[in-house]
Order: sequence, then C-alpha cells, then structure tokens
Amino acid sequence: GAVVSQHPSRVICKSGTSVKIECRSLDFQATTMFWYRQFPKQSLMLMATSNEGSKATYEQGVEKDKFLINHASLTLSTLTVTSAHPEDSSFYICSALLGGNRMNTEAFFGQGTRLTVV
Amino acid sequence: GQNIDQPTEMTATEGAIVQINCTYQTSGFNGLFWYQQHAGEAPTFLSYNVLDGLEEKGRFSSFLSRSKGYSYLLLKELQMKDSASYLCAVNKLSFGAGTTVTVRA
Repeated sequence: GAVVSQHPSRVICKSGTSVKIECRSLDFQATTMFWYRQFPKQSLMLMATSNEGSKATYEQGVEKDKFLINHASLTLSTLTVTSAHPEDSSFYICSALLGGNRMNTEAFFGQGTRLTVV
Repeated sequence: GQNIDQPTEMTATEGAIVQINCTYQTSGFNGLFWYQQHAGEAPTFLSYNVLDGLEEKGRFSSFLSRSKGYSYLLLKELQMKDSASYLCAVNKLSFGAGTTVTVRA
C-alpha cells in the first residue's frame, strides 16, 4: 500500500514553545490530508482537513491560530502547535487520501507523533 | 453531525470468533471503514463498505446495513496478534471510540 511518513515520532518540548509536525505522502500525491489527535484510550478526533493550495478546514472547537496547518505541496502537510501547553500533550496522527477527495478511497496513516509538553 | 457507537471492550480466546458491532447515525453516508490500531501506533486499514452486504478478506469480514445504520467486523480464527483496538469510521473519517479486543490463550 501507499506510504505516509510522519516526523518526528516523538517530541518533548517546553511549555510556551512551538512544535512542527510533518506529514509526507512518499509514493503518491495527496490533495487532501487529515490531522487527528488521540488521547490515551480514546478515539481519534479529527482536528482539521488540509487541502493543498488552500486554507485548512478546522473542526468545531479546534483553534486554528493554535494549530497551524500548511499544505504547501501535494506530498507535504505540516501541523504546528504554537505556544504549546501541557494539555496539548497527545498523540497526533495524519492521514492522506489516495486518489483525491473521493470518499471511497483508502486513507493511509502516518506513524503518529507523541508530543509531550513539559 | 455523526454519532458512532461501538462496544468498549471484548475478550475472546485464541482460535475463536469475535464480532464487533458498530452503529451510526449520520446526515449523509459515503462509506464505512474499519481500522485496527495497536497501542501507541497509527491505525491500519482493514475494510471499506459502501453497499449493503458482507465483504470478506481472509480471516476478517465486514458487514453493512445502511437502512439500519449498522456494521460489524468479524474476526475469525483469532490469534494473539489480533489483540488491538478496532475502530469504526464513517464518511469524513469520523471515528468511533474503538473496541479493545483482548485475545487470551
């Protein structure tokens, strides 16, 4: 199957700093990528939909100024957690749709990023 | 909005069969996905259903009834490595809370 690479896999940062997470589709072009957050023993929560060349669409309750998303190319989307606080500590996962935004296409997930804010 | 319900936990013995149910309520429907997720890892795709009926893939099968807003994932000949969380997701990849399956020897 298609490969989505997410980097870094783990990051520890100080409270008040910013952290950038990259999501790359390695062998296909992805016009649409999704960003999720997952707390321990809870489900994936969709944060935003990232569309190449346009602004991301954020889900209700997700602060767009805190979680900056940039989808500058067909193979790369980035999520920047700005002014991170301990409550932002979580598992962040991206996924990319193979074949565009058609709902009947398979989504491939990155490996996830474990963010710990101290 | 979308509301997705699935059991929190299930336990079964090695070699047995387990069925994980998922019910959903959605204003529009474009397909239902099942994913497997091991602790600390990203989900991996298992199946996709958009039409009513049963889709079989080896030891895993998935069933969909659109009129009932219902799906199930059937795991046969359970192996220890099948111990994981199983996530049901609909449409714009909105996920259920997941069902943790524990396989015991």
